Amino acid sequence: GDSVTQMEGPVTLSEEAFLTINCTYTATGYPSLFWYVQYPGEGLQLLLKATKADDKGSNKGFEATYRKETTSFHLEKGSVQVSDSAVYFCALTTGGGNKLTFGTGTQLKVEL
Amino acid sequence: DTAVSQTPKYLVTQMGNDKSIKCEQNLGHDTMYWYKQDSKKFLKIMFSYNNKELIINETVPNRFSPKSPDKAHLNLHINSLELGDSAVYFCASSQGARVNEQFFGPGTRLTVL
Repeated sequence: GDSVTQMEGPVTLSEEAFLTINCTYTATGYPSLFWYVQYPGEGLQLLLKATKADDKGSNKGFEATYRKETTSFHLEKGSVQVSDSAVYFCALTTGGGNKLTFGTGTQLKVEL
Repeated sequence: DTAVSQTPKYLVTQMGNDKSIKCEQNLGHDTMYWYKQDSKKFLKIMFSYNNKELIINETVPNRFSPKSPDKAHLNLHINSLELGDSAVYFCASSQGARVNEQFFGPGTRLTVL
């Protein structure tokens, strides 16, 4: 079945540091890939998405590129802020449905 | 405000009780979902309804019964609650049952004692 693997957290960074959160996937067919973010005490929000190979999703300074050859969708940001502290989830959907398969989430803590 | 809302936000109950969680969306979406997030933050889909019809039904105990009275509402009823049901339950909605952004509610934290 489909699965998503994320690096384990927590990831602790200083403000303005470079962020990478690794995500790899296993899927039948050609999945669409997503990053969702969950701020403390809130529901998930879509951060960015990519629906086909080599697409780059971007939002709020975050980027991720759909790499079919390495089955990866790593999240990056050049300069993190304290307000980016949250849990980040990589996810995918395949086929005709809209069933999201999530990774285990990676907690990011950004300190001054 | 346009959003996905859930009630209650917190639910504390005894083992063996029956409880319901309500979800409403005013985004005009036709597809709604229930997800369960465990204590380690792992999220797993439970159910999905499209135009009031069940389209996703994962391996969930039949003590869990979703009900969709109309496209804007998807309620979750849980019978004979067990300790392992303690989790945060998220409702979500999207337009269409294909690949579209899902909008999540704030969650309901269920604690079974």
